[in-house]
Amino acid sequence: DTGVSQDPRHKITKRGQNVTFRCDPISEHNRLYWYRQTLGQGPEFLTYFQNEAQLEKSRLLSDRFSAERPKGSFSTLEIQRTEQGDSAMYLCASRPELNYGYTFGSGTRLTVV
Amino acid sequence: GQNIDQPTEMTATEGAIVQINCTYQTSGFNGLFWYQQHAGEAPTFLSYNVLDGLEEKGRFSSFLSRSKGYSYLLLKELQMKDSASYLCAVRDNTDKLIFGTGTRLQVFP
Repeated sequence: DTGVSQDPRHKITKRGQNVTFRCDPISEHNRLYWYRQTLGQGPEFLTYFQNEAQLEKSRLLSDRFSAERPKGSFSTLEIQRTEQGDSAMYLCASRPELNYGYTFGSGTRLTVV
Repeated sequence: GQNIDQPTEMTATEGAIVQINCTYQTSGFNGLFWYQQHAGEAPTFLSYNVLDGLEEKGRFSSFLSRSKGYSYLLLKELQMKDSASYLCAVRDNTDKLIFGTGTRLQVFP
């Protein structure tokens, strides 16, 4: 058990480019969550999966954001046509079905220039 | 709506006790969590309360009153390494965590 892994740790991109982040949850954790955190704020919910099914997506989330978890294991979060306001830390968390313990990854820090 | 309030910043002295308060109004309640987060790192789990009362775990304790929508995290025998942000989060009725803005605690020698 190596914890929740996120890749890359840091990403700098130019405005208008597309970026994709990856999250590898703890094995056997069937629930996977994406959050976004800006400086001085708490994590903000984006979306979550139970196995490969996307159960909920934040209403605040732009159509430029999409997430997948095709085989119920790792997940990807894609941001199209990035904007400076997308600069933030993107956190992934996972938990097993019958346990309340959410485990967070170290995040991907996105900077849009 | 969803609303979780906690103080933005607090300071304390090494060896002292500090209490961080959290009030919440959420759509459903399935437990309250406290996380510690050092700058640039992942939030790490501290405590979980789903029933009223006090949960004690070493130097950290957490209290919950569901009728008042209130919780606090109590940190005893403060150490310099306790300087971090402390996040209060509620699990709502759709199983996601709703976070407050976090309380940045600075411990001085």
